[in-house]
Amino acid sequence: DAGVTQSPTHLIKTRGQHVTLRCSPISGHKSVSWYQQVLGQGPQFIFQYYEKEERGRGNFPDRFSARQFPNYSSELNVNALLLGDSALYLCASSLGQALFYEQYFGPGTRLTVT
Amino acid sequence: GEDVEQSLFLSVREGDSSVINCTYTDSSSTYLYWYKQEPGAGLQLLTYIFSNMDMKQDQRLTVLLNKKDKHLSLRIADTQTGDSAIYFCAERQGSQGNLIFGKGTKLSVKP
Repeated sequence: DAGVTQSPTHLIKTRGQHVTLRCSPISGHKSVSWYQQVLGQGPQFIFQYYEKEERGRGNFPDRFSARQFPNYSSELNVNALLLGDSALYLCASSLGQALFYEQYFGPGTRLTVT
Repeated sequence: GEDVEQSLFLSVREGDSSVINCTYTDSSSTYLYWYKQEPGAGLQLLTYIFSNMDMKQDQRLTVLLNKKDKHLSLRIADTQTGDSAIYFCAERQGSQGNLIFGKGTKLSVKP
């Protein structure tokens, strides 16, 4: 079975630009979460989506937005990029929203903002 | 607070046991996890423990939970060079159910 897939693998953008990152969950998983991992730190929660609705949001500015599609794939959008947005962006999928469902992570998208 | 704390580095010799420690602050956490991250890769779920358990063993991995002290540990028996990676402790709690991670412990295994 395919795991969580993310695209692109790497991305270089300039300050002020916007970016769209994509995630496909494990087949059958209906919940997708996004995390930002800055170099040398643990991942920080950005969003959780379940059944196409936002179910949780971390402490990130409104420049960050996301959505989930009917096939449960998801996009993370970041507008007006800052140098500090450079990070590994991780997507995780789980069967559902309940706490007892494990979250499985994709390989991440490495975003560099110059 | 929502801080999960881990020591940053651990170095062991191949064949020895490794013990990675973690403390968390939210006593309402229901599930606690250990993830492994190899260089340039995403996170691999290693194991987890439910808060009503004291211990969980899975092959070479043993997780110990001390709820009173909010202390979690991961023991890797017969550590191999392939175990070299960063290990993250994470708690999952609250209405959102998102994971809260520590900064990670970098495990180096010397041959």
